Amino acid sequence: EAAVTQSPRNKVAVTGGKVTLSCNQTNNHNNMYWYRQDTGHGLRLIHYSYGAGSTEKGDIPDGYKASRPSQENFSLILELATPSQTSVYFCASLGWGGAETLYFGSGTRLTVL
Amino acid sequence: GDKVKQSPSALSLQEGTNSALRCNFSIAATTVQWFLQNPRGSLINLFYLVPGTKENGRLKSAFDSKESYSTLHIRDAQLEDSGTYFCAAEAGSAKLIFGEGTKLTVSS
Repeated sequence: EAAVTQSPRNKVAVTGGKVTLSCNQTNNHNNMYWYRQDTGHGLRLIHYSYGAGSTEKGDIPDGYKASRPSQENFSLILELATPSQTSVYFCASLGWGGAETLYFGSGTRLTVL
Repeated sequence: GDKVKQSPSALSLQEGTNSALRCNFSIAATTVQWFLQNPRGSLINLFYLVPGTKENGRLKSAFDSKESYSTLHIRDAQLEDSGTYFCAAEAGSAKLIFGEGTKLTVSS
């Protein structure tokens, strides 16, 4: 069973602070994604990656950076956190599980005060 | 936004009844995935579809790329089917766009 691990599960940050959300997968999947989920918006794509060293902008990249230093790890970085970035963040990897399937982590609940 | 539109936004069912959820696409979707987000917040993959149909137990899904829509049929709804159902479409480049979800409540 493919596994995607996110950390931390919960995070409280202050406005203007730096926040790093981490994601790890040991499935050897090439593609990884960061989404945020807000009521009324479903899941919106922030950044994604095709493999180590690659980062691509999704639909709502402003205020976020991403880093893919290895096949296994994909981080989402908020350099200057704002209250509008309070949300639940999901990481996912795309791999072949009988069919091409998106596997999600358990989510990180971020609150920016 | 409007690239993937799901309907209805919310649905209430009695146990044992049937229903259908729908996604309409304004992008040239090549594949579709359906997910269930359970009440604990976990996202579970239900189906991956190229144009055609798939069935798994009480769930059946279809994807028509020419008419740009996908459906998810739930037969004999059970309490554990409650949650929010999402469809996601890919239009090349491995970028998956999600709809806003259908919140399903099954009651006894």
